[in-house]
Amino acid sequence: SQQGEEDPQALSIQEGENATMNCSYKTSINNLQWYRQNSGRGLVHLILIRSNEREKHSGRLRVTLDTSKKSSSLLITASRAADTASYFCATVSTSGSRLTFGEGTQLTVNP
Amino acid sequence: DVKVTQSSRYLVKRTGEKVFLECVQDMDHENMFWYRQDPGLGLRLIYFSYDVKMKEKGDIPEGYSVSREKKERFSLILESASTNQTSMYLCASSLFRRAPNEKLFFGSGTQLSVL
Repeated sequence: SQQGEEDPQALSIQEGENATMNCSYKTSINNLQWYRQNSGRGLVHLILIRSNEREKHSGRLRVTLDTSKKSSSLLITASRAADTASYFCATVSTSGSRLTFGEGTQLTVNP
Repeated sequence: DVKVTQSSRYLVKRTGEKVFLECVQDMDHENMFWYRQDPGLGLRLIYFSYDVKMKEKGDIPEGYSVSREKKERFSLILESASTNQTSMYLCASSLFRRAPNEKLFFGSGTQLSVL
């Protein structure tokens, strides 16, 4: 089954720096979503980008989608300690009925 | 804000016990889901439901069943718990039946340990 794969698996940065996480997937998609998970908690939906969109912004988040390369990136600008969490991409394929999650990137923002 | 409430944060059960995990959402969402999350395996879909009394198998339904008698409540049942069902269980809901896999709202999770 299709699965998003995040890169890197772990990222450690200083407060105020930008954080970039990447996601690759295997088949054609309907949309791609990013979620955040704080340690030991449930996931929180951050942003959804559709296959006909190339870029989307929400506050300090910027998501890009390149369907020709089957990849997406999530940029968090001016990171804060509170951004420390795992970040997951999730895809819905054009042929499937599942939301398939990657294994996530663990982001640590040091104060 | 949408609230998805899972009845327990932590549960410890014995092998062979019947286990009920309850999930309630308060925003009249059409769709509800149960996932399990394991290190190295990510989130895997167990069962989902797009309507009351309706259920569909996800990717790993073996050893589980579900019940949706009311729109707001979706229960996951482990008929006879086994140690390989030790995991974090996450319930989720989404609003529209026509777009069930968009913008899921998750509960805080239940960490189940089967001894």
